[in-house]
Amino acid sequence: NAGVTQTPKFRILKIGQSMTLQCTQDMNHNYMYWYRQDPGMGLKLIYYSVGAGITDKGEVPNGYNVSRSTTEDFPLRLELAAPSQTSVYFCASSQTGASSYNSPLHFGNGTRLTVT
Amino acid sequence: AQKITQTQPGMFVQEKEAVTLDCTYDTSDPSYGLFWYKQPSSGEMIFLIYQGSYDQQNATEGRYSLNFQKARKSANLVISASQLGDSAMYFCAMRGLFSGGYNKLIFGAGTRLAVHP
Repeated sequence: NAGVTQTPKFRILKIGQSMTLQCTQDMNHNYMYWYRQDPGMGLKLIYYSVGAGITDKGEVPNGYNVSRSTTEDFPLRLELAAPSQTSVYFCASSQTGASSYNSPLHFGNGTRLTVT
Repeated sequence: AQKITQTQPGMFVQEKEAVTLDCTYDTSDPSYGLFWYKQPSSGEMIFLIYQGSYDQQNATEGRYSLNFQKARKSANLVISASQLGDSAMYFCAMRGLFSGGYNKLIFGAGTRLAVHP
């Protein structure tokens, strides 16, 4: 079972560069999420999606964009990278449904991004 | 708004002893789920245990149990018979049904647990 797969694992960007963090899941989950984790901190929600074609902002969306053209994929785009975006990025997915609030999120292994 | 508070930045415990990691939450949602995740030094997020707001009994999963006190809005994680491999960061998280956020899991700041031999 692949679960949630994120690429790349590590990346160093210069200020002003752009990149896309890839995320794909093979569990047929409709809900997908992007979180960031700053050193020594908890996770903060950047964007989420409840299904193909539907996305919404989380707590810290500024500087990021997402798209969801398929159920499996949920890429995160960083435009004009800034040092404040240095963080570990986690993609996650979960089951859908009326009782989805009791479903845990399944996380990818993270992407460690440094912007210098 | 929903909020998760973990007041213990760091804890340590002797191997084979039990330890309790505190978590309090705030929500106006009538239905919600509480989750604990473990993050070892390798960085991945590992789901440990879940407690539903309407569950009558405290959740248990092997050496993990959740001390759920709904009136006090607390959901403390108890790890029994600690092992060296339990050394990690532990996050409490919550997901509500109606507060515009049943799609979202919000996290506390975490507690770093160190197990000493």
